[in-house]
Amino acid sequence: GAGVSQSPRYKVAKRGQDVALRCDPISGHVSLFWYQQALGQGPEFLTYFQNEAQLDKSGLPSDRFFAERPEGSVSTLKIQRTQQEDSAVYLCASSAARTAYEQYFGPGTRLTVT
Amino acid sequence: AQSVTQPDIHITVSEGASLELRCNYSYGATPYLFWYVQSPGQGLQLLLKYFSGDTLVQGIKGFEAEFKRSQSSFNLRKPSVHWSDAAEYFCAVGGYNTNAGKSTFGDGTTLTVKP
Repeated sequence: GAGVSQSPRYKVAKRGQDVALRCDPISGHVSLFWYQQALGQGPEFLTYFQNEAQLDKSGLPSDRFFAERPEGSVSTLKIQRTQQEDSAVYLCASSAARTAYEQYFGPGTRLTVT
Repeated sequence: AQSVTQPDIHITVSEGASLELRCNYSYGATPYLFWYVQSPGQGLQLLLKYFSGDTLVQGIKGFEAEFKRSQSSFNLRKPSVHWSDAAEYFCAVGGYNTNAGKSTFGDGTTLTVKP
């Protein structure tokens, strides 16, 4: 594809529900990143994959957050038992390199927990 | 730990005027530095990046930035602003090796352009 795509673009969940957010990176990109962007703030790092290996998950805020990239391409960010503080835009980015060099961002998924 | 400070939350300039957005970083080694722009409802678009070499880097849309190691700064400039430049701008720092996957962003500067 031409760029990074994310789905859904908008998600409304009731508190306590589980959600799954999908990211399709640019074809062939080795690295994939997830960020959380709260209103009025910059993106905050959540986790990072190099191919299918999750090399850094230090930014995941709790054990309710889980990410996977089983075949080294598409990635899913799952949030269990959503809380209101999980409301944010979740951004996915991919990079052709093995580092944070030149990341290409998707449009994000706006999650609202009611 | 790496960090980024963008001191100006909001800047307003007149169309055609020059622009400078400030960015200060903290990083223990030679950083990668980036500027991104985000329009409402859109993802982030990379404007320019610095890794090494010439400290004045040129980017897209007529933007440039200068890396000043002594000041730990990477300020973004544009000589003449267009109304379409109104957006939010983020400075980010990333690293080599063990932290290579992690970029740290500032909280952004919102640019308003007056006609």
